[in-house]
Amino acid sequence: TQLLEQSPQFLSIQEGENLTVYCNSSSVFSSLQWYRQEPGEGPVLLVTVVTGGEVKKLKRLTFQFGDARKDSSLHITAAQPGDTGLYLCAGAAGGTSYGKLTFGQGTILTVHP
Amino acid sequence: EPEVTQTPSHQVTQMGQEVILRCVPISNHLYFYWYRQILGQKVEFLVSFYNNEISEKSEIFDDQFSVERPDGSNFTLKIRSTKLEDSAMYFCASSGWRTLSGANVLTFGAGSRLTVL
Repeated sequence: TQLLEQSPQFLSIQEGENLTVYCNSSSVFSSLQWYRQEPGEGPVLLVTVVTGGEVKKLKRLTFQFGDARKDSSLHITAAQPGDTGLYLCAGAAGGTSYGKLTFGQGTILTVHP
Repeated sequence: EPEVTQTPSHQVTQMGQEVILRCVPISNHLYFYWYRQILGQKVEFLVSFYNNEISEKSEIFDDQFSVERPDGSNFTLKIRSTKLEDSAMYFCASSGWRTLSGANVLTFGAGSRLTVL
């Protein structure tokens, strides 16, 4: 059974600060996805990383996939109140497990003005 | 933007009753999924469905659960005899072909909250 440990679970910071969220596993994933989920809605995909060592940027968000494809990080620069929300990482096993994602427990981010 | 729609948004039922949750996936998608999230816990995979049959299911998806695509547009999850522990948010998702990178991109619905009393 693949597991993804996401940390921290809660993050409360001031506007303008930087932060990093981590996802770690002992298993290898074929790809890793980051989602954001608003209350009352389903997860919305932010990015997919596929290659070990891959870095993707989405404005102030930087996503990295570990070289061994077992871990990933989300870094937000100069956080804004609009970044407040639940962030989820999810790993795909690949192969015949098409679409079966293993989710982390999520990070609730609160950015105070 | 295309979206996955789910009904009902909230259903309250008595233990032992049958429940059907409905989903309309994105129209040109080929792969369909159900996930669930018990309050305070992780989002968990239940089942994937392709070409009118189950591709993969988790250990949660026991004989009380079934899925169906009855008319080419709807995708349903049936729980035959609900238990208290079935109370959760149920998310439907769909995806098209694999991307060139090999990754699978799922679009999730807003969820159906099931409360079993």
